[in-house]
Amino acid sequence: AQKVTQAQTEISVVEKEDVTLDCVYETRDTTYYLFWYKQPPSGELVFLIRRNSFDEQNEISGRYSWNFQKSTSSFNFTITASQVVDSAVYFCALSAISGYSTLTFGKGTMLLVSP
Amino acid sequence: DTGVSQDPRHKITKRGQNVTFRCDPISEHNRLYWYRQTLGQGPEFLTYFQNEAQLEKSRLLSDRFSAERPKGSFSTLEIQRTEQGDSAMYLCASSVNSGAEAFFGQGTRLTVV
Repeated sequence: AQKVTQAQTEISVVEKEDVTLDCVYETRDTTYYLFWYKQPPSGELVFLIRRNSFDEQNEISGRYSWNFQKSTSSFNFTITASQVVDSAVYFCALSAISGYSTLTFGKGTMLLVSP
Repeated sequence: DTGVSQDPRHKITKRGQNVTFRCDPISEHNRLYWYRQTLGQGPEFLTYFQNEAQLEKSRLLSDRFSAERPKGSFSTLEIQRTEQGDSAMYLCASSVNSGAEAFFGQGTRLTVV
């Protein structure tokens, strides 16, 4: 069985602060994919990143960066210099590499960025 | 617009009525998923299609739920004899192959009164 835990229910920061969203996962698969999605108030889930379990390199995309540590089963997401437009619910998700690739989501972390 | 589209965006229905939702995936995507999301929770998998074949169904999908994907294009999700517990956001997603990122529609928010 797969499980994704996002222990932070809600985080509030002031604009320009850095913020890290935590994600811990459990799986019996030796190979898998990890994802982050953003859900703004409009409701649509927006894909942010996919990481293969083979690749433990950290990734940076603009103000976003991801820290994947297989040893601790964590895939944390950092937003640098947060902006009001970053306010949303962020979901971490896990899927097997083979098979139907259904996603197992965490409960999400609501990020509120105030001006 | 070439994204995943869902219709309707909102649906209010009385308990006991039947409802049907439609999803149009990205045209070249042969994989289509339905998820359900309740308030404060992450999306939960309901069912999966590869082309027109329904290959997996979650235990969440009771006998009152049925999904189809005729000709491997759009999909419909029908809920019969709706209950208040069916109130949720129903999300559709599509992807091009195994392990590829899934692209989601804006969802259909169902309220059963």
